[in-house]
Amino acid sequence: VQLVQSGPEEKKPGESLRISCESSRDNFPNHWIGWVRQMPGKGLEWMGIINPADSETRYSPSISGHVTFSVDRSTSTAYLHWSSLRASDTAIYYCARRSRFSGNLAFYTAFDVWGQGTMITVSS
Amino acid sequence: DIQMTQSPSSLSASVGDRVTLTCRASQNIGTYLNWYQHKQGKAPNLLIYGASSLQSGVSSRFSGGGSGTDFTLTISNLQSEDFATYYCQQSYRLPRTFGRGTKVEIK
Repeated sequence: VQLVQSGPEEKKPGESLRISCESSRDNFPNHWIGWVRQMPGKGLEWMGIINPADSETRYSPSISGHVTFSVDRSTSTAYLHWSSLRASDTAIYYCARRSRFSGNLAFYTAFDVWGQGTMITVSS
Repeated sequence: DIQMTQSPSSLSASVGDRVTLTCRASQNIGTYLNWYQHKQGKAPNLLIYGASSLQSGVSSRFSGGGSGTDFTLTISNLQSEDFATYYCQQSYRLPRTFGRGTKVEIK
């Protein structure tokens, strides 16, 4: 399985943007897709997840209302959308497949397949 | 939100060393703890899930332990390809927060 993300973008504050994450496999509906942000010089930040089967979403409170997740099941593609970018959105954005694992004591979830990342630069 | 605190923030080590990284959760998360390796310019890589289960294809030099609030990632016989930043992530509750990372550098 591969996740292939769209290329880098340079945008101005206030502009809109949608980046993509295309899955290479037919089992796209079977795994939630997550989005993770890495701001310059910072660590990984969990943004949220979307269920490709029914488009159910879970957003981190820190970004809720500022971005929108969506999917196109016909093309096995997930999207991350901004209607009005801010300079603080400058970051690398990763999509990742969430898988479920059977462990010693319970079932666990983790991101086991990642896209290569999309660099977004927002500057006036 | 559950806060994840990693220590140290960075460390220097030599090839062949054994290093232990620590991650502490702000509340009891059982064994719902993942570890990732992240190299600059590349996608993160899942190492450990469920606090101690090794992801398929990951070297057995990596091992995880702990439960409740305190967790460790140990790298034995450190190799050149292991120099990277390591993140813990809790999978107990939304949002699935990451720690700030521990950067492992060459001494």
